[in-house]
Amino acid sequence: DGGITQSPKYLFRKEGQNVTLSCEQNLNHDAMYWYRQDPGQGLRLIYYSQIVNDFQKGDIAEGYSVSREKKESFPLTVTSAQKNPTAFYLCASNRRGQGGGSREKLFFGSGTQLSVL
Amino acid sequence: SQQGEEDPQALSIQEGENATMNCSYKTSINNLQWYRQNSGRGLVHLILIRSNEREKHSGRLRVTLDTSKKSSSLLITASRAADTASYFCATVPSGGSYIPTFGRGTSLIVHP
Repeated sequence: DGGITQSPKYLFRKEGQNVTLSCEQNLNHDAMYWYRQDPGQGLRLIYYSQIVNDFQKGDIAEGYSVSREKKESFPLTVTSAQKNPTAFYLCASNRRGQGGGSREKLFFGSGTQLSVL
Repeated sequence: SQQGEEDPQALSIQEGENATMNCSYKTSINNLQWYRQNSGRGLVHLILIRSNEREKHSGRLRVTLDTSKKSSSLLITASRAADTASYFCATVPSGGSYIPTFGRGTSLIVHP
């Protein structure tokens, strides 16, 4: 079955520690995204990548880093510079639409809940 | 920045009733999408409506788009308890990077 796999489902971070959230897709999608969701809130864009070896900052990129070395994978690192990392993190992907860009529907993973110890 | 804003924030109805949620946005769009999220899970795409479309149907779902008012509505007919979830609209701007931007969502509770 094609889809997006996020791991782990739950993650705990100690102060001063960097942690990495995994996101893998086998949908052959060019574009991948990371969103953060706080309780009762909508999704806010952290980073996105529309092609391998290229990525762009979203609205709340500070304290986060990403890489896109393979089409299938888009890991997110929450660094110690992110002072309020507790949130639900969602990875998504979609295919490039006609005429370029990434306008089509998103496919989401099941999310990672990150908490601070 | 959150482009779309859903209204109401919360909606509680009885099974069998219709549920209507609205989404307003600020800038020109290429398309608007509706998603559903069950508690603690990822989002699931429901329906996409393009800027040159006015209405789309999918099963018990009906979506309308009024680009002159920059608003969309999602109607769920004959609601079931299993429809209990949060519903989000996402707008894809026209031009630029076409990155979907989400609103804060409507929390729907359908009582059996």
